Amino acid sequence: EVQLVESGGGLVQPGRSLRLSCAASGFTFDDYAMHWVRQAPGKGLEWVSGISWNSGSIGYADSVKGRFTISRDNAKNSLYLQMNSLRAEDTALYYCAKDMEPYDSSGYTFDYWGQGTLVTVSS
Amino acid sequence: QSALTQPRSVSGSPGQSVTISCTGTSSDVGGYNYVSWYQQHPGKAPKLMIYDVSKRPSGVPDRFSGSKSGNTASLTISGLQAEDEADYYCCSYAGSSGVFGTGTKVTVL
Repeated sequence: EVQLVESGGGLVQPGRSLRLSCAASGFTFDDYAMHWVRQAPGKGLEWVSGISWNSGSIGYADSVKGRFTISRDNAKNSLYLQMNSLRAEDTALYYCAKDMEPYDSSGYTFDYWGQGTLVTVSS
Repeated sequence: QSALTQPRSVSGSPGQSVTISCTGTSSDVGGYNYVSWYQQHPGKAPKLMIYDVSKRPSGVPDRFSGSKSGNTASLTISGLQAEDEADYYCCSYAGSSGVFGTGTKVTVL
């Protein structure tokens, strides 16, 4: 059974940093691209960042480019999101999502999602 | 990376069909056959319903179907059921990034 478990969320002041983690199990983690998708309270979904199976290809939404860094540790079956210079508009539930296609075939289709970790940016 | 445009809400009676549109540009929806649709019930994580424009993952009822014409993709729910009441989001590959739609609330009358 595929499981994605996010952690690391919490209340943080504007301008500070936070690191999110996603522990994956139930599939061959290093075969698949992984993504972070967020949802602000009462709002829609927003793709944040994605990383290929071997970390060779990384992408970011314009809204977080230069502030967030995605990474993965295939030996630990884990995905990370380092969030710096946080703003109030970064307040959201952050989901870890598995890409449906292996290796370099990503069509940004997300077949499994975690339950999310809530990040609140407020003074 | 502008969000794809979806109607805010659609509604139908049980047994009826509803269609949700998802309008983008030639840089996303119109440029690739990588459109997916997600169902989200309140307080739950999204669930993949359609991928590659019109393919259904295992376990998704065949009442759900997808299509695309030009820069607009569509999700049709036939034989609407009470459990279909949820928010629905489209998503498209946009060349090294992904972009979601604005979301549509489906109400079963």
